Amino acid sequence: GQNIDQPTEMTATEGAIVQINCTYQTSGFNGLFWYQQHAGEAPTFLSYNVLDGLEEKGRFSSFLSRSKGYSYLLLKELQMKDSASYLCAVIDSNYQLIWGAGTKLIIKP
Amino acid sequence: DTEVTQTPKHLVMGMTNKKSLKCEQHMGHRAMYWYKQKAKKPPELMFVYSYEKLSINESVPSRFSPECPNSSLLNLHLHALQPEDSALYLCASSQGGTEVDEQFFGPGTRLTVL
Repeated sequence: GQNIDQPTEMTATEGAIVQINCTYQTSGFNGLFWYQQHAGEAPTFLSYNVLDGLEEKGRFSSFLSRSKGYSYLLLKELQMKDSASYLCAVIDSNYQLIWGAGTKLIIKP
Repeated sequence: DTEVTQTPKHLVMGMTNKKSLKCEQHMGHRAMYWYKQKAKKPPELMFVYSYEKLSINESVPSRFSPECPNSSLLNLHLHALQPEDSALYLCASSQGGTEVDEQFFGPGTRLTVL
């Protein structure tokens, strides 16, 4: 079966760093996306990884290890506006997007 | 224009009503998607149109009927819905033509079925 695991909820402090992990077991792998979704709004694209390693985009970085079926999203210099859900999604062998349940990130002052 | 628009933003309908959700993009994308999202859950794929043809229908009940009049527009016709169909309906688009590309989401329509 297809399975993507993320923590349900995380809490971090403004200005700090937080790492959100995602592990996956899917029928094939053609890439992994991270999306941010604020409550009541649509998901917005953050990053895409298809090769092993780290992709950096400003305060956000995403890492992938295909052999371990593992990715993480790293958020630095946290701001209150980063409070949102972070969704990990994997493209399987049929090029279907399989979504994780999302991690709700709460930022405290 | 780099956005996907959806109308209406909110919709309340009875179980006997017929309504339509609309989605539009002008990014030249050739793949468009309908998702349903319940609170605190990830989006669930309903339909995929690729080059204006329905390519994926994820076993969605017939009370949901998609339509793609042209490459920029995607509709979702609703008829005889149930209260459990209340959810956020998201439209997305992607370039298409390649196997992997990011999806751009519209703001969604918040649907309540009474």
